[in-house]
Amino acid sequence: EVQLVESGGGLVQPGGSLRLSCSASGFTFSSYAMHWVRQAPGKGLEYVSAISSNGGSTYYADSVKGRFTISRDNSKNTLYLQMSSLRAEDTAVYYCVKTRSGYSSSSYDYWGQGTLVTVSS
Amino acid sequence: EIVLTQSPGTLSLSPGERATLSCRASQSVSSSYLAWYQQKPGQAPRLLIYGASSRATGIPDRFSGSGSGTDFTLTISRLEPEDFAVYYCQQYGSSSPWTFGQGTKVEIK
Repeated sequence: EVQLVESGGGLVQPGGSLRLSCSASGFTFSSYAMHWVRQAPGKGLEYVSAISSNGGSTYYADSVKGRFTISRDNSKNTLYLQMSSLRAEDTAVYYCVKTRSGYSSSSYDYWGQGTLVTVSS
Repeated sequence: EIVLTQSPGTLSLSPGERATLSCRASQSVSSSYLAWYQQKPGQAPRLLIYGASSRATGIPDRFSGSGSGTDFTLTISRLEPEDFAVYYCQQYGSSSPWTFGQGTKVEIK
C-alpha cells in the first residue's frame, strides 16, 4: 500500500524558515518524480515544486522560486521542502504527491494527508 | 503559464442527475495531459481522470472525461450521494508550472 506521510509543519514567523519532510513507502520511491502541492485555507490547489526521480531536475512555481528548495534522499525514501523567507501568503496545507507515470510531467495518483504551515507573528 | 478556467463555480443538482463540468485552458494542453481530481472536506484530493479520458484505478464508470486542445469536460452520469464534492482540473503538459483550475463545487440541490 502506498503511503506518504508529511511532517514538519507548524507556526512560523514571517521571514522564518521551515523544512517539510515526506516519508514514502509502498512503492519504488527512486523511480518516481515527486511534487509538493499546497492549499491555502478555503482556497484551491496550487502546484509548488517538483523533483525528478533521481533528483537531477527541480522545478518551482514562480511564487516560491528563490525561497523554497526541493530535494530528496532516495536511500531514505524521503522528500523534502526547505522553505525560507516565509510570507503570510505561504500559509497553507502542504501535500506531498506521487506522480502516476514517474515523470515530472504527470498527474498525481497518491497524496499525503498534508501538513499545515502557518506564517504569522 | 497555462491558465485553467473551470465552470460553473457551483453546480446545484439532485442525486441521480447528470453533472457536466467544464475546464477551459488559455492555450492548448499538449498530448491531452489533463487530469481531474475530487476533493471532499478535510480530505486530500483523489485522482479521477488522467490523459483527459482515462479513469484512474478504482474510479466508477459513472465518471468520464473528454476533450482535447483547450476544452475539456468531466461528466458524472448519475450523481451518487458521495459525489458531492469539489472537482479540480489540472494540466501537466511538457514543462513547469503545472497548473490547476479554481475548482467546481457540486452541491446537493
